[in-house]
Amino acid sequence: EAQVTQNPRYLITVTGKKLTVTCSQNMNHEYMSWYRQDPGLGLRQIYYSMNVEVTDKGDVPEGYKVSRKEKRNFPLILESPSPNQTSLYFCASSPLRGAKNIQYFGAGTRLSVL
Amino acid sequence: QKEVEQNSGPLSVPEGAIASLNCTYSDRGSQSFFWYRQYSGKSPELIMSIYSNGDKEDGRFTAQLNKASQYVSLLIRDSQPSDSATYLCAVNRDDKIIFGKGTRLHILP
Repeated sequence: EAQVTQNPRYLITVTGKKLTVTCSQNMNHEYMSWYRQDPGLGLRQIYYSMNVEVTDKGDVPEGYKVSRKEKRNFPLILESPSPNQTSLYFCASSPLRGAKNIQYFGAGTRLSVL
Repeated sequence: QKEVEQNSGPLSVPEGAIASLNCTYSDRGSQSFFWYRQYSGKSPELIMSIYSNGDKEDGRFTAQLNKASQYVSLLIRDSQPSDSATYLCAVNRDDKIIFGKGTRLHILP
């Protein structure tokens, strides 16, 4: 089954404790992206990647890191989480040819930073 | 001016009627336009994509794009209770994807 898999689905952590949210897709998509969704602010892009070893900032990259060492994986790293990073996070992937830019979303990760 | 603007709603439409959702965008360089549906607590799923001016129909859904006026709309015909959700408009700008805040649609049985 074609899918984008995020883990964990739920995470509660404390301020300053480094964490990683994993994202993996099995559709051989070149483009991968992370979003956060907050009430009243909508979906905002954090980082995106056009291909292996190529990453770019989205609109809200502060406090986040990403890496793209393999085509299928695109982890989101919070080196020192803060309460304002409490949010619902979505990973998405997209082909760059054919159905270009259509985002296929993972199920989401609900993060709470205390 | 926000890059992608939508009326937050809620938009209430009787079952069986046509629901009309609108979206405006600020960047004339935007090339690709999308409508996603998101049920509460779930991830967004694609409803329609449109890349050129005019109408695009898929079943009960029609997307309309007018680049000169910088708006894109979604029509839902024969609205069903299962159409009750938040609808997100998104545009592609220089490889970034910009989402509007969404319009909540409520179909009245």
